[in-house]
Amino acid sequence: GAVVSQHPSRVICKSGTSVKIECRSLDFQATTMFWYRQFPKKSLMLMATSNEGSKATYEQGVEKDKFLINHASLTLSTLTVTSAHPEDSSFYICSARRDSNYNEQFFGPGTRLTVL
Amino acid sequence: QQQVKQSPQSLIVQKGGISIINCAYENTAFDYFPWYQQFPGKGPALLIAIRPDVSEKKEGRFTISFNKSAKQFSLHIMDSQPGDSATYFCAASSMMDSSYKLIFGSGTRLLVRP
Repeated sequence: GAVVSQHPSRVICKSGTSVKIECRSLDFQATTMFWYRQFPKKSLMLMATSNEGSKATYEQGVEKDKFLINHASLTLSTLTVTSAHPEDSSFYICSARRDSNYNEQFFGPGTRLTVL
Repeated sequence: QQQVKQSPQSLIVQKGGISIINCAYENTAFDYFPWYQQFPGKGPALLIAIRPDVSEKKEGRFTISFNKSAKQFSLHIMDSQPGDSATYFCAASSMMDSSYKLIFGSGTRLLVRP
């Protein structure tokens, strides 16, 4: 149990285009999901917290108009990188929190975004 | 106060040896301490987690030791195998924090030599 999927696993796009990344909790409901960005050989950098049915909460320094987050159901959150530029190239990872007495969070496999 | 400090940055262990990774925190409100294992190009996988009401938790070859008074916790990998070579992250969170954010350590790259 506790499987989180991400799609696509890898995407290459041209500068100026928008890219949507999906995060799904496959076997549990997740009221709260998180989006992270990870640079090579670095730790996870939290970008935003996504709550089902409400607006996402963005971390300081993260442009909410550039990184659009939608959490329309208890099993799906999406991250859209709008007008992508080469500096947005990174490894994006989502996690889903399983509702329980513990803060168990399960990560997706990640999406490698390359902007040309 | 929200930081979690992790050490060492990298670790090389011979096959069969014990790998030990340490983390320290300041926020006494933290009450959940998970460890994640990440292979290159993959998302982190939840390995083992502990609550502060116990001092040790063991799952197979993986053990978490927790010292509440010192505000430290560590991951021990017994009989380390080459397949354990990965990056390990400790984390902490507080159920009092309704954001449910995990505060991550900086990571430890473990290499287990055959």
